[in-house]
Amino acid sequence: SAVISQKPSRDICQRGTSLTIQCQVDSQVTMMFWYRQQPGQSLTLIATANQGSEATYESGFVIDKFPISRPNLTFSTLTVSNMSPEDSSIYLCSVEYPDRDEQYFGPGTRLTVT
Amino acid sequence: AQKVTQAQTEISVVEKEDVTLDCVYETRDTTYYLFWYKQPPSGELVFLIRRNSFDEQNEISGRYSWNFQKSTSSFNFTITASQVVDSAVYFCALSGSIRGKLIFGQGTELSVKP
Repeated sequence: SAVISQKPSRDICQRGTSLTIQCQVDSQVTMMFWYRQQPGQSLTLIATANQGSEATYESGFVIDKFPISRPNLTFSTLTVSNMSPEDSSIYLCSVEYPDRDEQYFGPGTRLTVT
Repeated sequence: AQKVTQAQTEISVVEKEDVTLDCVYETRDTTYYLFWYKQPPSGELVFLIRRNSFDEQNEISGRYSWNFQKSTSSFNFTITASQVVDSAVYFCALSGSIRGKLIFGQGTELSVKP
C-alpha cells in the first residue's frame, strides 16, 4: 500500500480565515487528487493537481476558493480560503498507481469552521 | 454522465451472517474502473479492490468477494461470515477515461452486531 500523510490531521478555524493542508506521498506520482467529504456525505472531487501545471477544478469548485500547489512529484497543498461554516468537512488527498491498479487516500484533514 | 448508486443506506446483521452490498453504475465510457473502499469509524478510507471494465472475473479475497456483471452494470460486494470489525461505511466508486477521478456512491453503512 501507499504511504500518504496529511497535515494537519484536524483543525478548528474561524470564519474568514484560510487553512493550508499538506499532502506528502512516499513515492513519485504524476497526478494527485483532492476530495472533500462533507459531514455524513460521500466524497466529491475538488481538483486534480499535476506537477508543473495549474490544477484542474471540478464543477462547483474554483481556484480562488481552493488554490492548489504541486511543487514536485511527491507533495501538494490545498488551501481553503475565506472559510465559512459550510466548509466544515474532511479533506482528503488521493494518488493513483496505474502500474499497481490501486488508488489510495490520505488519512484526511478534519476541518471545523466556527 | 457517470453515476454510482448504492441503494442500501444502512444494513444491520448479526455476526457470522453473510451480507451483500449492492452497487449499480452508469457510464458511457467503454473503459472504466470500479472500486470498493471501506471507511471505519476512525475515518480513514481503506482501498479494497479495483476492477477494470474488461475483467469480469469474480474476485475473492479471504472473506470478501466481488461480483462484477456488465450486463446489469453492477459490482456487488459480499462479506462472508461477517465480524464486528467489518462495521463501517462502504463506498463503491467509478472512474472513467480520466484515471484517478472517482465518482462515489452515497455509501452503505454496515453494522455487524455481536
